[in-house]
Parts: sequence; structure tokens; C-alpha cells
Amino acid sequence: SAVISQKPSRDICQRGTSLTIQCQVDSQVTMMFWYRQQPGQSLTLIATANQGSEATYESGFVIDKFPISRPNLTFSTLTVSNMSPEDSSIYLCSVERGRGVGGYTFGSGTRLTVV
Amino acid sequence: KNEVEQSPQNLTAQEGEFITINCSYSVGISALHWLQQHPGGGIVSLFMLSSGKKKHGRLIATINIQEKHSSLHITASHPRDSAVYICAVSSLYVGATNKLIFGTGTLLAVQP
Repeated sequence: SAVISQKPSRDICQRGTSLTIQCQVDSQVTMMFWYRQQPGQSLTLIATANQGSEATYESGFVIDKFPISRPNLTFSTLTVSNMSPEDSSIYLCSVERGRGVGGYTFGSGTRLTVV
Repeated sequence: KNEVEQSPQNLTAQEGEFITINCSYSVGISALHWLQQHPGGGIVSLFMLSSGKKKHGRLIATINIQEKHSSLHITASHPRDSAVYICAVSSLYVGATNKLIFGTGTLLAVQP
């Protein structure tokens, strides 16, 4: 099943700045999923990224705030723009493992603190 | 009410104890997932099941589709099992293909 390399693992950022999170998969995948986990909360899907098309955003998330790139079938980035302390969360990417295996593989997460 | 409910929210056990974490859901699903999240934030997929029972090492997951309920059991628990265990379901809703709905997690602490 796929292995994901996610970076950075953590960062402390000033409010008003932007951070780009990268996920590299060791195999080609159709869809990549980006999640946010606010402190003490469960995961919430931000958007689904397909190669060659615009990402599909969930209710409450907009492209201007969380632009996503998906230049090929093994790589995606999520940018958290114009950050505020409310954006302090863990951000994770995920891919499906494939029909033969089932389930999902997750990145190691990016722990973001905005000060 | 959340579509996926877990209990308990917090669980402290002594090393060697048998542990059960429960998950109930209220939506139609194609599969149920049990995930493990360690303090650093990374998530590991433990099980995906749509019926019956699966076992991997000291971990056992069961699901009852009719009752919309699943349990995760840990036998002979060890301090390294300390983590957050998350139940998630793959929704059957039209347009919701591949989307996971997550429970709020169970924080397990196994003391030596």
C-alpha cells in the first residue's frame, strides 16, 4: 500500500502569513484528501484533490483560504493562507490504499501553531 | 447528534487488561474503519471492515451491520497501545463517495 511523506511535521507561524504543506506519495493515486484536526476535535475533510482538475471543497472551506495544488498523481500541496490563531491545527493528507487492500493511508501530519 | 459516536471518550487501563472501545453510527455505510493516532499526530489505519470480525495481533475488530455498531478490542494491553483510537465510516450517501465521517476518538492510556 502507498506510503506518504508529509512535511513539514510542525511549524510555528506568525498571523497573516501563509504555510504550504506538501504530501508526496510513493505511488500514483487518483484522489488525495486533505483534513484538518482542530485541538481536541476529530478530523474534518477540507477538500478532495484530483489530478488535472480543481479541488472539491467541503462546506465551510474555500479555495482562497486553502488553495490546493495537484500537479501530478503523486504529489499535492495545501496552503493555509493569511493565518490566524484559529488555524492552529493538525493538517493531514490521505489516500486510498487501493481495491486490493482497502482502507486509507495517512500522512504523518503537520502540527501548525499560529501566534 | 454526531453521525458517528464513540465511547468511552477517555479510558485508562492497567497493563495486561482487556480493552473495548465502542462505535455506533447512524448513517448507511459501505465500510467502517478503525484508526490509531499517536501523540505526534500521525494516523495509522488498523482495520477496514464491512461485516463480521477481523484480527491482527492483539487487536480485534467486530461489526454488527444490523445494529450499526462496531467494537475494537485490545487483548493483553501494553503501554505502547496508548493512543487515540478513531472510528470512521465510509458513507453510502450519493455524492459522498470516498468520504469518511469520523468519530471524536477515544483517548487510551495504558499504565505499566
